[in-house]
Amino acid sequence: DTAVSQTPKYLVTQMGNDKSIKCEQNLGHDTMYWYKQDSKKFLKIMFSYNNKELIINETVPNRFSPKSPDKAHLNLHINSLELGDSAVYFCASSQDLGTEAFFGQGTRLTVV
Amino acid sequence: KNEVEQSPQNLTAQEGEFITINCSYSVGISALHWLQQHPGGGIVSLFMLSSGKKKHGRLIATINIQEKHSSLHITASHPRDSAVYICAVLMDSNYQLIWGAGTKLIIKP
Repeated sequence: DTAVSQTPKYLVTQMGNDKSIKCEQNLGHDTMYWYKQDSKKFLKIMFSYNNKELIINETVPNRFSPKSPDKAHLNLHINSLELGDSAVYFCASSQDLGTEAFFGQGTRLTVV
Repeated sequence: KNEVEQSPQNLTAQEGEFITINCSYSVGISALHWLQQHPGGGIVSLFMLSSGKKKHGRLIATINIQEKHSSLHITASHPRDSAVYICAVLMDSNYQLIWGAGTKLIIKP
């Protein structure tokens, strides 16, 4: 069983569209994260949710909105996609802040 | 200067060699992660350390908190170990994970 699963794995879409990336973890963790991997392969944290509450919100555009229907899910919704949004997005979870994180396989988003 | 520095950036070795990847950091941390990213892009957590040493199979990770330095060792390296190895530190001030640039390891048969 996959511990942290993201869907879709690949997403190609046109500029201006709205899209969502889903993330689910079956580890019973309380904390989930979204990261963006930039062209230099650095991972930058975007959001973190702990027990369904947003606790870290880095300075990402407000076109990006995390949605957590329950603590096992943290979906990433992106409005009005731009070319610069093209990247690989990783979801992760950990038991709590400061504990070991487990990562999904990543979603490669390409905006054309 | 980045808060997390890894060395070397690229490493090519022959199968069987002992591999060492280094990570130095300049911020206060509560823990340090070593992760592995395969060519397909997936990221796997290898270790999380806050002190001392951990071993898992052929992988060994050490950390020296006073010197702000960690090493990842691979014994009896194998071509399937070829991947990018990433050091990431968990800041003790705000729990942000700061990532190193990664070390690209290639093990030749």
